[in-house]
Amino acid sequence: QVQLVQSGAEVKSPGSSVKVSCKASGGTFINHAFTWVRQAPGQGLEWMGGIIPMFGSNYAQKFHGRVTITADESTSTSYMELTSLQSEDTAVYYCARDNSLGGSGRYYTGENWFDPWGQGTLVTVSS
Amino acid sequence: IVMTQSPATLSVSPGERASLSCRASQSVSGDLAWYQQKPGQAPRLLIYDASTRATGIPPRFSGSGSGTEFTLTISSLQSEDFAIYYCQQYRNWPAISFGQGTRLEIK
Repeated sequence: QVQLVQSGAEVKSPGSSVKVSCKASGGTFINHAFTWVRQAPGQGLEWMGGIIPMFGSNYAQKFHGRVTITADESTSTSYMELTSLQSEDTAVYYCARDNSLGGSGRYYTGENWFDPWGQGTLVTVSS
Repeated sequence: IVMTQSPATLSVSPGERASLSCRASQSVSGDLAWYQQKPGQAPRLLIYDASTRATGIPPRFSGSGSGTEFTLTISSLQSEDFAIYYCQQYRNWPAISFGQGTRLEIK
């Protein structure tokens, strides 16, 4: 069973960047799709973007130009980098597997629901 | 697509039934998922394709609806069910969107 383990909490200064990792274990990573969702303190879930191997990365309009999502099959790890950080970016950042690939990643099913999830990474932006 | 959940907070007694609503601003067909989130934890998938229970989810959780109106029903609430619930549409991928959540609290 796939488990996702994220990197540890980060404290960043305004204007800097952060890169969060998400390592899959307990299953095969090959041709998995991943997504990233954030949650500001006391707020709801906000989709940031995702990566589907056959399509590449896609991002929410709000984060276009500031976020980069990548995946490294050799290490079973997905990464999310967010630049030009501001205090409003203080949040818990989650990765999750996007279940939209079937046939061991050979075709796209459109089933973009998310399971399992990583434990979350708190990113605090403060001067 | 804007997802609107109601009510924002629902107070129900243990053992009773809870019905949570999710409305889409345009049709998402059956491309809707429900998640449960407890304090300090990551969300957990409950339902996908509007009505299919995820692996390991007890049968007291059920989803229904299609198009623009969806309902998550929890029959006979257990203490561990009090949490925040989110709906998510994936019809409009890659423009994925979540509802703002419904907090289910003990009455």
